[in-house]
Amino acid sequence: KAGVTQTPRYLIKTRGQQVTLSCSPISGHRSVSWYQQTPGQGLQFLFEYFSETQRNKGNFPGRFSGRQFSNSRSEMNVSTLELGDSALYLCASSVAGSDTQYFGPGTRLTVL
Amino acid sequence: GQNIDQPTEMTATEGAIVQINCTYQTSGFNGLFWYQQHAGEAPTFLSYNVLDGLEEKGRFSSFLSRSKGYSYLLLKELQMKDSASYLCAVAFSGGYNKLIFGAGTRLAVHP
Repeated sequence: KAGVTQTPRYLIKTRGQQVTLSCSPISGHRSVSWYQQTPGQGLQFLFEYFSETQRNKGNFPGRFSGRQFSNSRSEMNVSTLELGDSALYLCASSVAGSDTQYFGPGTRLTVL
Repeated sequence: GQNIDQPTEMTATEGAIVQINCTYQTSGFNGLFWYQQHAGEAPTFLSYNVLDGLEEKGRFSSFLSRSKGYSYLLLKELQMKDSASYLCAVAFSGGYNKLIFGAGTRLAVHP
């Protein structure tokens, strides 16, 4: 069974721009969670989607948003990029609720 | 807040045993995960504990004490490839798949 895939793997943007990242979960997994990882803050939860509904949200500004499609694929969007948004963005999928999450390879975003 | 504490760095010798500790606030606890993350790679799942006791999986074991808010990951017969960061993550009830991660323990295995 194929793992979680994320595209693109690397991205360079400038301040003020917006970006959209994509995540395809493991087949049969309906829950997708997004995390931001930085050297200073570690792994921090952004939000979680299940059946196209956001069920949980972390403490990030409204510039960070996401959505999930009927095939469980998910996208996250960051608008008005700031230098501090430079990070590794990871998505993780799981079957349904509070079960094991499996991570994708991540998208490394650099904001200049 | 929901703090997860684990040591920042540890070093060990190839072939030895190392124990990485993790403490957390017990309120609303709903399960604890351990992940391994090599530099530049995604975290990979190692173990999941929801009940007290020891879960053994090959060279890796994970222990949980819910009353003490304490877990450890035990790595036996260390190999050079075990050099990585080890992340402790706690699921709290009502949070669905919202995992709270510790900062990670960077383990260096030396010959």
